[in-house]
Order: sequence, then structure tokens, then C-alpha cells
Amino acid sequence: EAQVTQNPRYLITVTGKKLTVTCSQNMNHEYMSWYRQDPGLGLRQIYYSMNVEVTDKGDVPEGYKVSRKEKRNFPLILESPSPNQTSLYFCASSSQGSSGGYTFGSGTRLTVV
Amino acid sequence: DQQVKQNSPSLSVQEGRISILNCDYTNSMFDYFLWYKKYPAEGPTFLISISSIKDKNEDGRFTVFLNKSAKHLSLHIVPSQPGDSAVYFCAASRNTDKLIFGTGTRLQVFP
Repeated sequence: EAQVTQNPRYLITVTGKKLTVTCSQNMNHEYMSWYRQDPGLGLRQIYYSMNVEVTDKGDVPEGYKVSRKEKRNFPLILESPSPNQTSLYFCASSSQGSSGGYTFGSGTRLTVV
Repeated sequence: DQQVKQNSPSLSVQEGRISILNCDYTNSMFDYFLWYKKYPAEGPTFLISISSIKDKNEDGRFTVFLNKSAKHLSLHIVPSQPGDSAVYFCAASRNTDKLIFGTGTRLQVFP
């Protein structure tokens, strides 16, 4: 089954403790992206990647890092999480960039206390 | 600065009637527009898209209309079904890189 898999689905952590949210897709897509969803703000892009070793900032990249060492994986790293990073996170992938429509994962709900 | 706006946070429609969801944008350089549907506890799913060179795209019960002069697009669902109840996001992109989403409209279809 073609899918984007994120782990974990739920995570509660403390301020300053580094964490990684993993994302993997099995569709051989070039494009991958991370979004966060917050009430009243919709989905905002954090980082995106056009291919292996090619990444760029989205609209809200502060406090996040990404890497794209393999085509299928695109982890999101929070080096020092803060409470304002409490959010619902989605990873997505596409074969044609944003014009082709992204396939989204099921989301990761992160709470930073 | 919100480049893609959905001014109606919610919409309630009777089953069988037409649902019209609206979206406005500010950047005339956008070249692709998309609609996504989101159920609770799931990721958004791609619904339908339209290129800026077209003014209409249809897929079954779903039709998207684009009015470039007004910088406005709309999604029509006819006939509406209870399973269409979800949050709908419009999104826009330029040069296939960043996809910018609106804030979403919650559609409720009642019997």
C-alpha cells in the first residue's frame, strides 16, 4: 500500500530534550515536506525537500532541522523543543511537487511541557 | 501575512444540496491551486486541483472554479453527502515548491 508513515503518533516531552519525528514514504517520491497544524492558522510549511540532499526552508523553520540522506526518509529534528512547538505535525510526499498533490501521513501530535 | 484565506470557518449544508467552499488569495504568481479534505485523526487527502491557465476543473461530484481577476477559487460539491463532512483546506503553489494552505473550512452535511 502506497503510504507516508510517521512515528510516533503521539509524543509528550519536556522543554529542551532533543527529539526526532521520523517520516518514510514507499512511493519513490522526490518531494517531501513537513507541516504543522495549529488552530486558526491552518497548515504551515516547516521545511521541504526536492530530492536527496536538497532541502529548503518553509514558512516556519525556526527551531527545526531536517535531513534527506535517502529518498524515502525525511526526519524532523527538534534540537531543543519549546512549548510553542506543541502542535500537530504532518509529513507529506509528492512525485510532482506541490502541483501534483501531496500524500500526507497520519500526523504526530507533539506536546512540549 | 496570510496569502491564502478561507474566511468561513464553518459551513452547514443539507444532504443532497450543493456545498460551496470559498478561498481567496493575494499572490498573483500562484500557478496551481488545490483542495484537500481532512477527517479527524487523519492526514489531509488530496481532492482536486486546477492550473492557473484554466477556470474550471471537474471530478465527479467535485468542481473547482478559478477566477483569476478576483483572485478567488471555490469548490462545489454536488450533491453533498454526510461522508463529505470534514475540514476542507485550499492551497496554492508557485513553481511547484512551497504549498501554502488556508486556515480551513469545516463542512457539516446533515440529513
